[in-house]
Amino acid sequence: EAHLEESGGGLVQPGGSRRLSCFVSGFTFSAYSMSWVRQAPGKGLEWVANIKKEGIEKSYVDSVRDRFTISRDNTKNSLYLHMNSLRAEDTAVYYCVRHRAGTGTTFFDYWGQGTLVTVSS
Amino acid sequence: SYVLTQPPSVSVAPGKTARISCEGNKIGTKSVHWYQQKPGQAPVLVIHYDSDRPSGIPERFSGSNSGNTATLIISRVEAGDEADYFCQVWDRSSDHVVFGGGTKVTVL
Repeated sequence: EAHLEESGGGLVQPGGSRRLSCFVSGFTFSAYSMSWVRQAPGKGLEWVANIKKEGIEKSYVDSVRDRFTISRDNTKNSLYLHMNSLRAEDTAVYYCVRHRAGTGTTFFDYWGQGTLVTVSS
Repeated sequence: SYVLTQPPSVSVAPGKTARISCEGNKIGTKSVHWYQQKPGQAPVLVIHYDSDRPSGIPERFSGSNSGNTATLIISRVEAGDEADYFCQVWDRSSDHVVFGGGTKVTVL
């Protein structure tokens, strides 16, 4: 059974930086694309970024492009999200998710429990 | 960018059928996936590829997709089905994943 566990959340001042990590087990990490999805308090789900299995191709939602960087280390079964220039609106629970890709589509079949990032002075 | 619109809330009596819509431009040409999220928990995939159920999801959950509307259908609703439900598609033109705003299902 796949297991994803996020870490690195906490309180950060506006303009600050934070690195989130996600350690996975129970499946061949290098065979799957991965994403970060976030959820602001009391709000809906927002896809943040994805990274293909080789770690080369990446995509970002417009609101975090140029501030966040997604990366992975397939030798360590780990996914990362480097967040810079954090804003209050980045406050959210951040989920690490595994992609299942199909013809012309992709969806998320496994989710971590999430890690809360709070941006506040 | 592609937009998915869901009703904020749906109420249903136990044993009845709940229908949750997800509207998007020509959404019938895309594959739609649905997630259930209970308070304090991570989302769980309940429907993929419009109408397929992952292993372990009750047969009471089904889906349809045509034209500009996809629908999640929960038959014989139980108290345990009370949750937020989100639809999701992949937007090929932007290579972005898009979620609907979510629908809170209340069991009366």
